[in-house]
Amino acid sequence: QKEVEQDPGPLSVPEGAIVSLNCTYSNSAFQYFMWYRQYSRKGPELLMYTYSSGNKEDGRFTAQVDKSSKYISLFIRDSQPSDSATYLCAMMDNYGQNFVFGPGTRLSVLP
Amino acid sequence: DTGVSQNPRHKITKRGQNVTFRCDPISEHNRLYWYRQTLGQGPEFLTYFQNEAQLEKSRLLSDRFSAERPKGSFSTLEIQRTEQGDSAMYLCASSLTGLADNNEQFFGPGTRLTVL
Repeated sequence: QKEVEQDPGPLSVPEGAIVSLNCTYSNSAFQYFMWYRQYSRKGPELLMYTYSSGNKEDGRFTAQVDKSSKYISLFIRDSQPSDSATYLCAMMDNYGQNFVFGPGTRLSVLP
Repeated sequence: DTGVSQNPRHKITKRGQNVTFRCDPISEHNRLYWYRQTLGQGPEFLTYFQNEAQLEKSRLLSDRFSAERPKGSFSTLEIQRTEQGDSAMYLCASSLTGLADNNEQFFGPGTRLTVL
């Protein structure tokens, strides 16, 4: 079993839809949870960053962490074609070490 | 631009040649990370530095790979005797510190290596 699992997609949605992206993980030492967006042939760009369990909202993006289920989610409201990219979850332990990415979910938002 | 920069952006080389990539982190960041990413996969951790000290190396980092950060600022990643399996995007990231809330990693644009 991989440390971090993520549905690779591709996921296609119409413009304006609510998008739900998810990751599961196995290492209970992970405390920091991040979502990155990566456009083709570019480096990952940090979108959301949360510590431990709970929700965090930033504009159209909401990140949720459920440590009891080892499950994290990213919701995108009112999705736009410019949101089309690969979304990577990432997580690490309390010491900023053991930084692990999921394989990424490829999202296409169709106009 | 005060972000992470990487050079070159693209490198094409023949199998068996040596290549070297450079990463310039965000200036006040003391942690620097190297990752490798292949198509359809997330970045895989290779190594990281705290200032000039290399603190951790992944098993992915074979003897042909060496990384340095001599003055705690920029870093270089060298691959000796390249193989076709080394073809990938090599990403560099930096963070302010590894503790508490200051350890968000900011990524550079990557160096895409193609080994023929």
